[in-house]
Amino acid sequence: QKEVEQDPGPLSVPEGAIVSLNCTYSNSAFQYFMWYRQYSRKGPELLMYTYSSGNKEDGRFTAQVDKSSKYISLFIRDSQPSDSATYLCARKGGSNYKLTFGKGTLLTVNP
Amino acid sequence: GAVVSQHPSWVICKSGTSVKIECRSLDFQATTMFWYRQFPKQSLMLMATSNEGSKATYEQGVEKDKFLINHASLTLSTLTVTSAHPEDSSFYICSARVQGVYGYTFGSGTRLTVV
Repeated sequence: QKEVEQDPGPLSVPEGAIVSLNCTYSNSAFQYFMWYRQYSRKGPELLMYTYSSGNKEDGRFTAQVDKSSKYISLFIRDSQPSDSATYLCARKGGSNYKLTFGKGTLLTVNP
Repeated sequence: GAVVSQHPSWVICKSGTSVKIECRSLDFQATTMFWYRQFPKQSLMLMATSNEGSKATYEQGVEKDKFLINHASLTLSTLTVTSAHPEDSSFYICSARVQGVYGYTFGSGTRLTVV
């Protein structure tokens, strides 16, 4: 079983829709989770960083961690065409600081 | 914010030649740099971790002699793909851990095509 599982999609939604992106992870020792956005042929950029369970909100983005079910989610409200990108979930390892990424979900927001 | 400048953004080289990719931290000191490879529609695969002044630590299955990593200063890390072959064609991305910041800053990536 891979450490971080993510449905690669693709996911296509109309502008203004609420988008839900999800990942599951296998190791309950994981504590730090991140969501990155990657535009085509560009490096990833950090969207959200979460630690422990609960929600974290930043503008139109909400990150959610459910440690009991080992589930992490990213919600995008009022989605815009500029949100069209690949979204990658990641977890940070212990002392070695390495990141493990999910496969990424390709999102298209149609105007 | 913390910025990592990666060059070149794309490069085409002949099979058998070597290619060097540079990553510079512009406004911070990058004590740890990570190098990733990404194939089309695939996720980022960590190749190696380098700490300034130390030898890089390579992930299982990554050839050390083929992918040479140098992290001689706190602001510069390089990846050299030696004797490149068409199967080395990929998107290479560096990332730096920023002290005091939880996230990691990524370079813009280098698209390598070996012909």
